[in-house]
This record gives sequence, C-alpha cells and structure tokens, in this order.
Amino acid sequence: DTAVSQTPKYLVTQMGNDKSIKCEQNLGHDTMYWYKQDSKKFLKIMFSYNNKELIINETVPNRFSPKSPDKAHLNLHINSLELGDSAVYFCASSQLHVNYGYTFGSGTRLTVV
Amino acid sequence: DQQVKQNSPSLSVQEGRISILNCDYTNSMFDYFLWYKKYPAEGPTFLISISSIKDKNEDGRFTVFLNKSAKHLSLHIVPSQPGDSAVYFCAARIYSAGNTPLVFGKGTRLSVIA
Repeated sequence: DTAVSQTPKYLVTQMGNDKSIKCEQNLGHDTMYWYKQDSKKFLKIMFSYNNKELIINETVPNRFSPKSPDKAHLNLHINSLELGDSAVYFCASSQLHVNYGYTFGSGTRLTVV
Repeated sequence: DQQVKQNSPSLSVQEGRISILNCDYTNSMFDYFLWYKKYPAEGPTFLISISSIKDKNEDGRFTVFLNKSAKHLSLHIVPSQPGDSAVYFCAARIYSAGNTPLVFGKGTRLSVIA
C-alpha cells in the first residue's frame, strides 16, 4: 500500500492551461506539504496544511492554489501555466510535533510547453 | 539564500569503502537535521536524523555527525554498497519553533562502483 500517492506521475500541458495535481496519504498524518524541485534541483516548500488549515504559504504566485478537503488529501491547482512552472512537484506528509521527518510521494513531473 | 548547502554535487566510491557526504548550514536556529535518500523517479525517503543536542547518531551502516560550532554535518556510510547509489539530501528545521518546514540542500549524487 502506497503511503503517500500523487496523481498524475507525469503531466505535459500547454502554456496558459489550468491543471491539478492530487495527493493522498493513508498514514493518519495531520500535516501535508507541497514541495517543488526545480531545474537547479532545490526542494523548496510551497505550502503546508495542518488538519485542513493552511499553516505555511511561501512566496508562491497566486496562480497556485492548494486545497485540502480533509487531512488525508492535499491537492494543488495551477492556473495559467507558464514555462517556468515546469518542475517536479512532491507531496509529503508528517505528524506535527513528531520529529520523524516527512514521508514523500513519488512526485509529479510537470512539463509546460 | 541557501540555508543548507551541499557543495559536492557528486561523489564516487568503491564498493566496501566509506562514503562521506557533507552538509553545511547557515541558520544557527536549526535544531534538527535529517538525511534523505532519493532514487530516480521516486520521492525522497528518510534515512537518519540527529538532534542538535547530540553530535552523533548511528543506524546500522549509516552514521551522522554534527559539529554545531562549524555548522556542519556529515553522513558516513560504511561499508558502501551498490544499492546505496542515489541522491542524498541534507535537510534541517527549527523543530522548537513548531510549524517550520524542512529546508533542503541541493543534494549529492553518490555512485558506488562495484
């Protein structure tokens, strides 16, 4: 059973389109994250939700909107896609205040053409 | 501004020898450090961690050393095995501050040669 699953694994789309990436975790964790790994290979935090509440919102363009319908799901919607949005997006989960690190999904490779 | 730096993008080691991966950080508020391992087309997986109150943590073939005064940590893998070939990310956080996220370095690609 996959602990943190993301769909789709690959996404190729044209500039200007709107797309969503879905994430689900079955670990019972209360906190979920979106990280972006760009072409320079940095893994950078974008958003974090704890029990459906947004707790971290880094300087990310407004075109990116996370949504957490419940604590097991965190989706990422991106409007008006740009070439620079091409990256690998990783979802992760953890239990807040428990320091065992995050469990990551396998990533979604987004290519904007 | 890179708060966590892994200055070696790649490292090659012979099977059976020691692999040493290094990481430096700039934020003195970091109090918890982790190493993650990543295979191609997979997400990073947690490997080992260390709290700032310790200077060493060992788990089987993996040992992490922390030098707070130098703001430096290292991961030792002994003996190295071909299956250890992967990208290793160093990460840090301010655990005492609660909701702060993990901050990652750029990673070091380890190749273990049989």
